[in-house]
Amino acid sequence: KAGVTQTPRYLIKTRGQQVTLSCSPISGHRSVSWYQQTPGQGLQFLFEYFSETQRNKGNFPGRFSGRQFSNSRSEMNVSTLELGDSALYLCASSHGVPGNTIYFGEGSWLTVV
Amino acid sequence: QKEVEQDPGPLSVPEGAIVSLNCTYSNSAFQYFMWYRQYSRKGPELLMYTYSSGNKEDGRFTAQVDKSSKYISLFIRDSQPSDSATYLCAMSAGNQGAQKLVFGQGTRLTINP
Repeated sequence: KAGVTQTPRYLIKTRGQQVTLSCSPISGHRSVSWYQQTPGQGLQFLFEYFSETQRNKGNFPGRFSGRQFSNSRSEMNVSTLELGDSALYLCASSHGVPGNTIYFGEGSWLTVV
Repeated sequence: QKEVEQDPGPLSVPEGAIVSLNCTYSNSAFQYFMWYRQYSRKGPELLMYTYSSGNKEDGRFTAQVDKSSKYISLFIRDSQPSDSATYLCAMSAGNQGAQKLVFGQGTRLTINP
């Protein structure tokens, strides 16, 4: 059974640009969540999508957005990149019901220069 | 004050020792409690998952939850060098908030041969 797949694994962007990250959840999972991990703030929840609808949202500015497609694949977009957006972006998938296991991907390493 | 507090360490112990990792939290709505292990430059891997208060054992790992004290623990018996990693506690509330994980800062653990 394939795990959560994230692409690209590594990318470098310039301040002011935008970036799109992609996540393919485990087959059958309808919930996809995104997290940002930095040395200073740790792992922080960005948002969760379930059946193409945003169901939960963290405390991040509107520059961070996401969407989910009918096949449960998800993308997140960060516009007008800032140096502080440099981080590991993690995608997690699950069946989306309380008590189920939440699996993480390997992450996308974003460096903003 | 953070919702979940975890001593970041680092923690260094000899091989074979019993390791105790802990987290405290402030949100009484948390019902689901998890421990993830994260190796360097990898995504978090679920180790233990506990609902509400009580103990759960899986091989060399034991998770404890004390909701009255808002305190969770992970014990590792007969620690091995391969256990060297960062350990993250995570928790979530029930219902649709169950997919929104709140993480501790993570404890970096090194097991010395």
